[in-house]
Amino acid sequence: SYVLTQPPSVSVAPGKTASITCGGNNIGSKNVHWYQQKPGQAPVLVISYNGDRPSGIPERFSGSNSGNTATLTINRVEAGDEADYYCQLWDGSSDPPVFGGGTRLTVL
Amino acid sequence: QVQLVESGGGVVQPGRSLKLSCAASGFIFSSYGMHWVRQASGKGLEWVAVIAYDGNEKYYTDSVKGRFTISRDNSKNTLYLQMNSLRDEDTAVYYCAKSEGAVAGTFEYWGQGTLVTVSS
Repeated sequence: SYVLTQPPSVSVAPGKTASITCGGNNIGSKNVHWYQQKPGQAPVLVISYNGDRPSGIPERFSGSNSGNTATLTINRVEAGDEADYYCQLWDGSSDPPVFGGGTRLTVL
Repeated sequence: QVQLVESGGGVVQPGRSLKLSCAASGFIFSSYGMHWVRQASGKGLEWVAVIAYDGNEKYYTDSVKGRFTISRDNSKNTLYLQMNSLRDEDTAVYYCAKSEGAVAGTFEYWGQGTLVTVSS
């Protein structure tokens, strides 16, 4: 089945930009979604279809997808952005839905 | 607003069964696919199963095929997961999630989860 690869951790200072990558074979041809999960809470969809922001998600969150890498970008990072972030895709084909291993974002 | 409330978790011995429920509200339940996703303590998210809006399509991750059954009752706006022959490795928080579409799409909304512990 399809494999999504994320770095285990990313650290960033407040006010700076965080980039979290999600690698996969020709992932640029697929639709990637991103979820934020804070400790003790359920995941929340923050980016859908590579770059769309659901209602209520700050404009600081954006996404891109090309080649073998999808990227979640968080501008002007705040302490409240500290969380685990997961990429995910499923197009309803024979492969099952798959999540990346998750990236812990630490705000220094 | 969309609400998903899981129930039915608990402590169960290996080899025994448990049935989870997910009560949905705030949207037209019968129009959307629904998923179960689990997360072992300190681990990442693992997709478990999906059921189409009308119940006619069901898919499972390999590790639960033949042991778990996903179902839904659209008249009660409720999703279920029947878990049989439980194993230690099934221990996790189980989330139900609403699909954006009739089957596929994003995991648009999530419940708060219910903890299943398989232990003797």
